[in-house]
Amino acid sequence: EADIYQTPRYLVIGTGKKITLECSQTMGHDKMYWYQQDPGMELHLIHYSYGVNSTEKGDLSSESTVSRIRTEHFPLTLESARPSHTSQYLCASSELKRGDTDTQYFGPGTRLTVL
Amino acid sequence: GEDVEQSLFLSVREGDSSVINCTYTDSSSTYLYWYKQEPGAGLQLLTYIFSNMDMKQDQRLTVLLNKKDKHLSLRIADTQTGDSAIYFCAEKRDQAGTALIFGKGTTLSVSS
Repeated sequence: EADIYQTPRYLVIGTGKKITLECSQTMGHDKMYWYQQDPGMELHLIHYSYGVNSTEKGDLSSESTVSRIRTEHFPLTLESARPSHTSQYLCASSELKRGDTDTQYFGPGTRLTVL
Repeated sequence: GEDVEQSLFLSVREGDSSVINCTYTDSSSTYLYWYKQEPGAGLQLLTYIFSNMDMKQDQRLTVLLNKKDKHLSLRIADTQTGDSAIYFCAEKRDQAGTALIFGKGTTLSVSS
């Protein structure tokens, strides 16, 4: 059982608000990821990190930003939420170990609705 | 193409076997994964297979890999109603690379 947590699980918010989606893992994993998943669609990587102070943009362009100040914490922020940001956001982590499966463990997700 | 392809829906009766198919894109992919997603939940890792293997069995789950055709399948024996979920195939293309490339998921519906 993976120890990766996301809060809030559900968020309904108005346009223009600033929001932060929290993600924490207690496994000591170096690599962390944020995926966006629309209903009936595949997951798309929007941000990832190899460790503290490392952040990179993923394959899908996103207006969100991330930070990695602590190994266990990888929050995602939207400065001004819009209806187009309505989606499910999934956080994942994995160990950075060459030759390993690099298996990613997922949190339960945050379902964001912007009105 | 660049996409991982899966059929979108599969419907089976309880007790039957389910076979979910996936076609991936990169012959140099090192690991291939199957994840399960129940409604409102995150992804749960079911199993994975290393690219130099043909088959992996884990209790009711059997993964078959045809590297020549870049085809991966997941067989669930004695399917139960609790197996109803979306199943995602994913490939890892680069040992030191970033994230996994996911298919769109196959919705498995199990009727009693």
